[in-house]
Amino acid sequence: RKEVEQDPGPFNVPEGATVAFNCTYSNSASQSFFWYRQDCRKEPKLLMSVYSSGNEDGRFTAQLNRASQYISLLIRDSKLSDSATYLCVVNVMTTDSWGKLQFGAGTQVVVTP
Amino acid sequence: DVKVTQSSRYLVKRTGEKVFLECVQDMDHENMFWYRQDPGLGLRLIYFSYDVKMKEKGDIPEGYSVSREKKERFSLILESASTNQTSMYLCASSFKNSYEQYFGPGTRLTVT
Repeated sequence: RKEVEQDPGPFNVPEGATVAFNCTYSNSASQSFFWYRQDCRKEPKLLMSVYSSGNEDGRFTAQLNRASQYISLLIRDSKLSDSATYLCVVNVMTTDSWGKLQFGAGTQVVVTP
Repeated sequence: DVKVTQSSRYLVKRTGEKVFLECVQDMDHENMFWYRQDPGLGLRLIYFSYDVKMKEKGDIPEGYSVSREKKERFSLILESASTNQTSMYLCASSFKNSYEQYFGPGTRLTVT
């Protein structure tokens, strides 16, 4: 079983609409959570961290549900430029002082005019 | 702006060849990482380093080795390339206690 699972999509979204998708993680000891964005043929870049209380960054809202072990990302008022693959990333502490990031395979979002 | 550069964008090698992938970062980051990215599998950590001359195995170290002689440079070595090492290789770096990793543009390696 993968440590971080995502629906690969694609999620086809009309411009201006709202899209939301989840990611589940298997290790209950996971401590930190992030969404990275990866444009086609580009490198991943940090989109936002996910906090226990939920957090917003402009049109993006991230939520964490520790009891059910999933995180979610919601994009409001979708723009064409939001088309990308969104990677769910979970930090799992190891015996080292620094934890290891586990990446999901990504959810593809395609925003259409 | 943080810059992580990788020596090649595309590389084609033959089975059995020794392959060097180089990564350089200019932000004085302590941590450096090598991942491979394959469709449906996401990024998988091969090796990482949290200091010069230090290295730690990631999830899939078999068939790879690394070298970090200088803080800004982290090399990935395929001692004897095999076809199952055909993949996109991504280097990343971060500050010591930060989870924000900065990625290079990637090297698409094809082993024939």
